[in-house]
Amino acid sequence: DIVMTQGALPNPVPSGESVSITCRSSKSLLYSDGKTYLNWYLQRPGQSPQLLIYWMSTRASGVSDRFSGSGSGTDFTLKISGVEAEDVGVYYCQQGLEFPDTFGAGTKLELK
Amino acid sequence: QVQLKETGPDLVQLTQTLSITCTVSGFSLTTYNVHWVRQPPGKGLEWMGAMWNGGGTDYNSAFKSRLSISRDTSKSQVFLKMNSLQTDDTAKYFCASRTGRGYFDYWGQGVMVTVSS
Repeated sequence: DIVMTQGALPNPVPSGESVSITCRSSKSLLYSDGKTYLNWYLQRPGQSPQLLIYWMSTRASGVSDRFSGSGSGTDFTLKISGVEAEDVGVYYCQQGLEFPDTFGAGTKLELK
Repeated sequence: QVQLKETGPDLVQLTQTLSITCTVSGFSLTTYNVHWVRQPPGKGLEWMGAMWNGGGTDYNSAFKSRLSISRDTSKSQVFLKMNSLQTDDTAKYFCASRTGRGYFDYWGQGVMVTVSS
């Protein structure tokens, strides 16, 4: 199975600051169709996960442009430009290249 | 709009069988895929399996032969059944849709299931 490893944040983060969350995969997620099958989700406290970014850098419908995704085949970054109260929760990366789909352990964002 | 809703028991006895229903609206099961993902309390997400729009299924081998996913397209429902439950199967169980390759775009609210001895 592909292992997804996420980095931590220096919590708590001051409101308005920009942060980057890292994710690394044990195998390249770049497929022959040119897409990189890495996705990002936010799970707010008590809620279901919400898709933020798919295919490494495409924002999901309705997601604020404060969220951006980038990376290579195995190293990825989710950037939040100017964190707000509604951004608090746990962020997960997930690979959709091959079965079984696997998720990172999550990165918690707390606001100061 | 797309919605998914899980219904199932709060409590299941040790070694018994878990049955959860995912009822979808806003799309057809013959068009998009539905997956099951679970989350133990305070822990991360684990992909369990998929019901494809063509009626096929895929399972996480971690669940070996314990897991079964089926559907009733006329009722827009997908069913999860897992037998021989253990205490570490205590988790919130989500169904989620996959309309594009590789990502889960809509999620149900989940159903919290506790396995009790």
